[in-house]
Amino acid sequence: DQQVKQNSPSLSVQEGRISILNCDYTNSMFDYFLWYKKYPAEGPTFLISISSIKDKNEDGRFTVFLNKSAKHLSLHIVPSQPGDSAVYFCAANLGSGNTGKLIFGQGTTLQVKP
Amino acid sequence: NAGVTQTPKFQVLKTGQSMTLQCAQDMNHNSMYWYRQDPGMGLRLIYYSASEGTTDKGEVPNGYNVSRLNKREFSLRLESAAPSQTSVYFCASWPLPYTEAFFGQGTRLTVV
Repeated sequence: DQQVKQNSPSLSVQEGRISILNCDYTNSMFDYFLWYKKYPAEGPTFLISISSIKDKNEDGRFTVFLNKSAKHLSLHIVPSQPGDSAVYFCAANLGSGNTGKLIFGQGTTLQVKP
Repeated sequence: NAGVTQTPKFQVLKTGQSMTLQCAQDMNHNSMYWYRQDPGMGLRLIYYSASEGTTDKGEVPNGYNVSRLNKREFSLRLESAAPSQTSVYFCASWPLPYTEAFFGQGTRLTVV
């Protein structure tokens, strides 16, 4: 059973426009969420995170929104740039102390067209 | 500072062969993880080690074994490789929950 779901396998946007990537989760015990970015033939790299006690976190062009009641989070990239073209993974933290683990979604491939 | 290092980067195995994927981190992190990435499936957790001396199963542990050799090293072993284990394998280390995890570059494994 997929606890973290990214239902859009791909997204294509024009350079300069907004990219919105979505993620849904089912486990109400998740208390910390992260977005990772992955280029081909490389490992995922951390992008931005949000605690479950917040509803928004912003870092430059990247903003993550969390709607706990809907069990939904989204990543906004404004403005989108061709270098943002990559696979984006949503991840959720389960557990606390030293026993946490990260559960990932399926990923969304973003293509930003010049 | 190398971060998380995985070896080898590429490997082709015949069905039934065994091999060990190596992972080492130099960031003094407590937790280490093995994931596999398959098209349309995202990153799925195979095994993890919350601290030296402990290991636990993740979402897809069947066909794999792990060893947390010391704080730095966490290896993944395929005892009898199957074509279904063709995948890209990522090792990650994590200082603590509620922080970011760091990933290696991946091992692309093909089982024929």
